Amino acid sequence: DAKTTQPNSMESNEEEPVHLPCNHSTISGTDYIHWYRQLPSQGPEYVIHGLTSNVNNRMASLAIAEDRKSSTLILHRATLRDAAVYYCIRGRSYGKLTFGQGTILTVHP
Amino acid sequence: KAGVTQTPRYLIKTRGQQVTLSCSPISGHRSVSWYQQTPGQGLQFLFEYFSETQRNKGNFPGRFSGRQFSNSRSEMNVSTLELGDSALYLCASIGLENTEAFFGQGTRLTVV
Repeated sequence: DAKTTQPNSMESNEEEPVHLPCNHSTISGTDYIHWYRQLPSQGPEYVIHGLTSNVNNRMASLAIAEDRKSSTLILHRATLRDAAVYYCIRGRSYGKLTFGQGTILTVHP
Repeated sequence: KAGVTQTPRYLIKTRGQQVTLSCSPISGHRSVSWYQQTPGQGLQFLFEYFSETQRNKGNFPGRFSGRQFSNSRSEMNVSTLELGDSALYLCASIGLENTEAFFGQGTRLTVV
C-alpha cells in the first residue's frame, strides 16, 4: 500500500537549492503526491502536494514527472530550519497517510 | 486559530495498565487521524474518525481503540499496555477543504 522510495539521507549547504527525489512507480491515476516534513521533536508538517502538474507554494516546489512515477521536492534556498525528515507519500486520502522512512536532510551552515 | 492540541504531552505507564490520550482538532475540522511513531517502525497509521464514525483503520491489535465526540475531539485508548507500545502518538486533523493534515506535537508514552 502506498509505497514510495526515497534516499535515506541528503546533505546541503545553507542558501543552496535542494532537490529531494521520490520514486512512486506504482502510483495510480487518482493518487496525489504529498510531501510532509518532520522537524526534531515536532509532529509532521505539510509541505506541498500535487496530482499531475508542477506546484509551487511559499515553502517549496514540486516537480512531477510526466509519467508520474517520480517527483522531486525543491527547496529553493535551504536554511538551517529546513533540516528535517522529509516524507514523500502517495495516496488519495488525507486522513490516512502511509509514511515511509523518509529522507533525513542535513543543512550545513 | 489554535492548532491541534494533544494532551498529555508526556505519560509514563506500567505494563498491563491502560491509557487514554486526547486530541482536540483545529476548530471546524471534522476528521481526526491517529498515528504511532517508533524508531523501529516509523510513522504508522492507527485510525481515522470523521463525524464520530471510524472511517479507516490501520493494522493494529484490538487493544488500540478510539472514538470521536460530537465536538470532533477524539480520544484513543490502549489497554493492557506492553513495553512495545512506548511511542510518540500523533494526532492530525483535516479540514473540509481536505488538502492537508495538521499534526499536533504528540503524546510521548513510555511503558515501563
